[in-house]
Amino acid sequence: DTGVSQDPRHKITKRGQNVTFRCDPISEHNRLYWYRQTLGQGPEFLTYFQNEAQLEKSRLLSDRFSAERPKGSFSTLEIQRTEQGDSAMYLCASLPGPQETQYFGPGTRLLVL
Amino acid sequence: SQQGEEDPQALSIQEGENATMNCSYKTSINNLQWYRQNSGRGLVHLILIRSNEREKHSGRLRVTLDTSKKSSSLLITASRAADTASYFCATDSSDQAGTALIFGKGTTLSVSS
Repeated sequence: DTGVSQDPRHKITKRGQNVTFRCDPISEHNRLYWYRQTLGQGPEFLTYFQNEAQLEKSRLLSDRFSAERPKGSFSTLEIQRTEQGDSAMYLCASLPGPQETQYFGPGTRLLVL
Repeated sequence: SQQGEEDPQALSIQEGENATMNCSYKTSINNLQWYRQNSGRGLVHLILIRSNEREKHSGRLRVTLDTSKKSSSLLITASRAADTASYFCATDSSDQAGTALIFGKGTTLSVSS
């Protein structure tokens, strides 16, 4: 257990539905990242928060994706109008400052039918 | 896009043998990290080596870094069945704001007893 938690651990949804995932980072970590991992690949960066500010978004993050980190604590990642190509593991990581170890949560596995 | 490339893609060894995995990357880095991932689970941080370090040890793990060749290796000595997992190297580019990690596709290690 790294101290980073994610909820839910698994989500099955039908195409076109909206889904929301939650990440609770290690409490003193001010930086939070979201990654997506598809089968047989390494994780790919989606977006990054420093405290409550979303500072960077990947080109992978289409306008159907939105992420928030109100009050600089937990973060949510919402996918609207899900597509089958969104099926993946969504991972969250936190770290206390730049160039430090990133601690990953267990991930949320999404399956879009 | 993937920055790192792990080699080999898959490795099968017997318990007690050593396992060596290699990683190559493309851009200048601040540090390089190795992670382990058991099937369907989150990533577990193994070791971080900074760009000004050449070698680092942690228990049965030994990591080397050659910034002139843009490569790193992970050696696991006296392997155990519990070491069976996928291993990823991840770099953060010194040119990139936010220090998002860029992962390779990983090496799948299988240790049989």
